[in-house]
Amino acid sequence: QKEVEQNSGPLSVPEGAIASLNCTYSDRGSQSFFWYRQYSGKSPELIMFIYSNGDKEDGRFTAQLNKASQYVSLLIRDSQPSDSATYLCAVKASSASKIIFGSGTRLSIRP
Amino acid sequence: DTGVSQDPRHKITKRGQNVTFRCDPISEHNRLYWYRQTLGQGPEFLTYFQNEAQLEKSRLLSDRFSAERPKGSFSTLEIQRTEQGDSAMYLCASSLKRGDEKLFFGSGTQLSVL
Repeated sequence: QKEVEQNSGPLSVPEGAIASLNCTYSDRGSQSFFWYRQYSGKSPELIMFIYSNGDKEDGRFTAQLNKASQYVSLLIRDSQPSDSATYLCAVKASSASKIIFGSGTRLSIRP
Repeated sequence: DTGVSQDPRHKITKRGQNVTFRCDPISEHNRLYWYRQTLGQGPEFLTYFQNEAQLEKSRLLSDRFSAERPKGSFSTLEIQRTEQGDSAMYLCASSLKRGDEKLFFGSGTQLSVL
């Protein structure tokens, strides 16, 4: 079982709609969760982070955590073509400070 | 620019040669991470430092890989006797401190082993 799992996609969403991205993690003790966006040929860029104490909203982005199901999601409202990228879910290991990444979900916003 | 800096941006080498990459983190960050990424995959953890101390190294990493962070500032990653399977993007990231693990990535070093 991979430590952080994501559906590789591609996920195609019409412009203006809500894009929903998900990941599951195996380390039940993890308490810090991150979403990174990576454009083709570029490095990952942090867009959201949440801790075990709840969900978080920032502009068009909402990150949600379901600890019981070990599941993290990212919602992007009013999707724009510039949101087309690979979204990486990352989890901080409970036993150390290493950050483990999933393989990413490719998101495509169609006009 | 006070972001994470990596050098070189690209490295082409022949199989069996040694290569060394450098990473300069954001100045006030005391944690530094190395990752490797191949096409279509997420970043794979290699190792990380708290100041000059190397706190963890991936069990998947062979003995040909070594990293240092002398004086807790810049870091180097060396790959000895390179193999074609080492071809990848090597990413460096830094974070402020323990308990704040928001990573800021450099532009990476693209390694091609011929």
